[in-house]
Amino acid sequence: GIQVEQSPPDLILQEGANSTLRCNFSDSVNNLQWFHQNPWGQLINLFYIPSGTKQNGRLSATTVATERYSLLYISSSQTTDSGVYFCAVRYGGSQGNLIFGKGTKLSVKP
Amino acid sequence: DADVTQTPRNRITKTGKRIMLECSQTKGHDRMYWYRQDPGLGLRLIYYSFDVKDINKGEISDGYSVSRQAQAKFSLSLESAIPNQTALYFCATEGQGAGEQYFGPGTRLTVT
Repeated sequence: GIQVEQSPPDLILQEGANSTLRCNFSDSVNNLQWFHQNPWGQLINLFYIPSGTKQNGRLSATTVATERYSLLYISSSQTTDSGVYFCAVRYGGSQGNLIFGKGTKLSVKP
Repeated sequence: DADVTQTPRNRITKTGKRIMLECSQTKGHDRMYWYRQDPGLGLRLIYYSFDVKDINKGEISDGYSVSRQAQAKFSLSLESAIPNQTALYFCATEGQGAGEQYFGPGTRLTVT
C-alpha cells in the first residue's frame, strides 16, 4: 500500500517564527488533506489540496502531485498553533480511503 | 450546532463489556467512516459506509462491528471490549465524489 511520511516528527518554535512541514507519499494520489489536531484532541480541517497552492491567513499549503509531496507553511507562529499536524492522502480513485501519516508535533513557546 | 457529533465523548468500561459509540451528521453526506487513533500515531480506518445499505471493512475491523441506521447515523460497537481497544475514536463524513472528509470531536474510550 501507499506510504505517507511526515517530517519532522517533532518541532519546537519560538512564537513568531515560521515553519515548513513536509508530507511525502509513495504513489499517485487523488486527494490530500492537512489537519491540525489541537491539544484537546479535535481534528480541524486545514486544507483540501490534491494539487496546487492554497492560503488561509497565516497558513498556506502546496502540493506537487507529480513529485509526490506536499508542504504546509506556518508563518508568524502563535502558541495556539501547537498540536499535531497530519497529512492524509487518498489513492485508488473515489473508492479509496484516506491514509494518514504519523504527524508532526508542533510546540510553540511564548 | 456541530455538523458531526459523537456520543459519548468519554467512556470508561470494563473488559468484556459491550459498548456502542454513536455518530450523527447534519451535512447530508452519504459516506461515513470510523477511525481509531492510538498515542503517537495517525488515524487508522475501522469501517466505512458509502450509503445506508453499504458496509465495508477497513484496515483494523477485527473486534468491531457497525450499523448504518440511516443516512445521518453510523454506530460502532465493541461486542466484548478488551484493553488494547483503549483509544481515541473518530467518526468522519464525506460527500459524493470522494472529496473532503470532516471529523467529529472524537470519543475517548478506556477499557480497564
